[in-house]
Formats: sequence, C-alpha cells, structure tokens
Amino acid sequence: RKEVEQDPGPFNVPEGATVAFNCTYSNSASQSFFWYRQDCRKEPKLLMSVYSSGNEDGRFTAQLNRASQYISLLIRDSKLSDSATYLCVVNMGWEGGGADGLTFGKGTHLIIQP
Amino acid sequence: DARVTQTPRHKVTEMGQEVTMRCQPILGHNTVFWYRQTMMQGLELLAYFRNRAPLDDSGMPKDRFSAEMPDATLATLKIQPSEPRDSAVYFCASRRLAGATGELFFGEGSRLTVL
Repeated sequence: RKEVEQDPGPFNVPEGATVAFNCTYSNSASQSFFWYRQDCRKEPKLLMSVYSSGNEDGRFTAQLNRASQYISLLIRDSKLSDSATYLCVVNMGWEGGGADGLTFGKGTHLIIQP
Repeated sequence: DARVTQTPRHKVTEMGQEVTMRCQPILGHNTVFWYRQTMMQGLELLAYFRNRAPLDDSGMPKDRFSAEMPDATLATLKIQPSEPRDSAVYFCASRRLAGATGELFFGEGSRLTVL
C-alpha cells in the first residue's frame, strides 16, 4: 500500500461549482498534514495546513479524518484560477524516515472549465 | 521576498555528460531538500541536509548522483554521467524548522533534458 494516495484525476469542473477530493495515508502515527498547490510548470507552494479541527481559508476548507486516515480539500465557487495540481503532504514524524517524515502524494489534477 | 534560488532553470545535455545543479536556500533555513519530479513518479526525495549535514540520501542513485552542501548558502546536486532517464524537474526546497511544523519553500526548479 502506498504511503500517501491521491486520485490523479483530472477533475473537470465547471466554473462556480464545488469540488472536493481526498487523500489517504497509511501511517496512523502521522502527525501533520498539508495541501500544496502546483501550477503547470511551477514549483509547489503551500496552500493550507490541515488541523484536527478542520480549517477554512476563504473558499477552501480542509478536513482531517484520523479514524479513516484521510484528509480532504473542498473548494467552493471554483474559479478558473483554481486550475492546478493539488498535492497532499503527510508528515509521519521521525518514524516515517527521511525528509523529516514528509511524504508527498502524486497530486490531483483539477481543471476548472468556463 | 525571500526565496529559494536554483540554477540553471533549464539544461539540455547529452548522455554521459556531467550536470551540476545549484541551490541557494532561504537565509536562516537550516534544512535543505533535493526532490525530483516526473509525471510517472511525482515528487521523489533524493537527499536532504540539516545544518549542512547530510541526513538522508537513500533516494539517490549513489553510482551517479551526489549531493553536497559546501556552505550554508549553497547546495549542489551533481549527476555524472547523466542518462536519458534522469530527465526530470529537480527541485530544491528549504525550511526553517525541523519536525512537524515549518512550511517547505521550493525553488522554481531545474528542468533537465538528457538526450
């Protein structure tokens, strides 16, 4: 089983719609969680951290479900500029091995259509 | 704005040639990572350093790849000899804090094509 799994998509969504995607992780001892956004031919950038209580930043909501070991990202009122690849990042702590325990998913490709 | 700086941005070379990529982390960041990204594999960790000491390079093909951090302002990734399968985007990233917190800042990447 892969450590961090995401549906690669692409998700084709009309502008203004709501879209959500999940990311599952295998290590129950994982300590922290993040969503990064990567635009085409650009570097990944932090979108938001995911807290146990969930968190919201404008049109974006991130949730954590520790029991089922997944995190989710919800985008409301999607804009054309939301088109990007969304990378799930899980920090498994020192037990997760290298890179300070940071493990990246392969990303979910989102296309917002006019 | 403080940012991670990578050179070269693009490199086209022939199989067998040496390639050196350089990274200047954000000042004050003590942890530096090298990642490789391809369509098939996504982001793969190659090596990382804390306070210039190498902590993990298990993701790096040892026979041809080497990573060093000669000083706090410079990290290098060298491929010798290069092969077509090394074609990818190589990202350097840095962060200030160890452990669970601390945002990872990426450079713009070095896009390598080996013919």
